[in-house]
Amino acid sequence: EAGVAQSPRYKIIEKRQSVAFWCNPISGHATLYWYQQILGQGPKLLIQFQNNGVVDDSQLPKDRFSAERLKGVDSTLKIQPAKLEDSAVYLCASSPTTRQGGYTFGSGTRLTVV
Amino acid sequence: GESVGLHLPTLSVQEGDNSIINCAYSNSASDYFIWYKQESGKGPQFIIDIRSNMDKRQGQRVTVLLNKTVKHLSLQIAATQPGDSAVYFCAEIPSGNTPLVFGKGTRLSVIA
Repeated sequence: EAGVAQSPRYKIIEKRQSVAFWCNPISGHATLYWYQQILGQGPKLLIQFQNNGVVDDSQLPKDRFSAERLKGVDSTLKIQPAKLEDSAVYLCASSPTTRQGGYTFGSGTRLTVV
Repeated sequence: GESVGLHLPTLSVQEGDNSIINCAYSNSASDYFIWYKQESGKGPQFIIDIRSNMDKRQGQRVTVLLNKTVKHLSLQIAATQPGDSAVYFCAEIPSGNTPLVFGKGTRLSVIA
């Protein structure tokens, strides 16, 4: 089965610019997650979708971050405007159900804000 | 703060030896735990999981032990190989349908 696809793999932007990341989950996986992984730390959840609805966005900095999952399949995560502290790897994961702990992760997008 | 953490940030082992990576969690209500392996430039990869009604679970060359009394989780890797070099994270589902919470990770280096 194909894995979770993410693009781009790398992105360098200046602070205050905007950036968008794309994720295509495993076909049929209802639940999609975006995690932020700062260098040297474990992934931290930003947002969780169940189909095209948001289940948990309590840790998403909503003043600058937004995410959507149109038609319950692909998802985009946007940052506008970016700050230096947003430099991190943004990981997308999917699972068949919310109780399925064995999430499948994509390779992530490494964002550098300068 | 995070409810899942690790005792050691780095671990070096000789090729062929067994590795033990430890993890402490603070949420006694957590009922599902997973170990992930993350290689450089890649996303976390599922290794093995265990539910709270179990004390031990074995996979291929890996064993996870769960001690609910002291809220401790460990990953044992038998006959460690150079390909095992990576960062290992334990993760938990605190309750219900909440998403995985990750700890900080332990970097395993295998010395050939």
